[in-house]
Amino acid sequence: KAGVTQTPRYLIKTRGQQVTLSCSPISGHRSVSWYQQTPGQGLQFLFEYFSETQRNKGNFPGRFSGRQFSNSRSEMNVSTLELGDSALYLCASSSGQGALETQYFGPGTRLLVL
Amino acid sequence: EDQVTQSPEALRLQEGESSSLNCSYTVSGLRGLFWYRQDPGKGPEFLFTLYSAGEEKEKERLKATLTKKESFLHITAPKPEDSATYLCAVPGAGGYNKLIFGAGTRLAVHP
Repeated sequence: KAGVTQTPRYLIKTRGQQVTLSCSPISGHRSVSWYQQTPGQGLQFLFEYFSETQRNKGNFPGRFSGRQFSNSRSEMNVSTLELGDSALYLCASSSGQGALETQYFGPGTRLLVL
Repeated sequence: EDQVTQSPEALRLQEGESSSLNCSYTVSGLRGLFWYRQDPGKGPEFLFTLYSAGEEKEKERLKATLTKKESFLHITAPKPEDSATYLCAVPGAGGYNKLIFGAGTRLAVHP
């Protein structure tokens, strides 16, 4: 079974621009969660989507948004990029059916904001 | 507020030298705990889920245990390929797939 895939793997943007990252979950998984990983703050939860609906959201500003499509693929968007948005963005997928499920992570998209 | 603390921050071992990593947590009603391994430049790789205090799980040289206040990841006779950052996480308030991660322990195993 193919794992979670993320595109692009690397991205360089400048302040003020916007960016869209994509995540394809494991086949059959309907839940996709997004995390930001930085050296200073570690792994932090952004939001989770299930069946095209956002079910949970972390403490990030409204510049961070996401969506999920009917095939469970998900995108996240960051508008008006700031230097502090430089990070590894990870998505994770799970079946979405239980309260304590294993989340399987993709390789991440490394974003550098200049 | 839910919080996860891992110690030590970094650990250097000689090959074959066993040790333990600690993960302590402050959550309102523990519903389980996860351990992940992360290699540089890669996403976290799932290792274990522990559901309740007293539970233990093993995989090769790794053994994870859980008490009411903390979890340990025991590494027996480690090899250089065990070098990685080990992360623990607990489900956050609000349910559904919101994991609260610790900062991780960076393990380096030298031959």
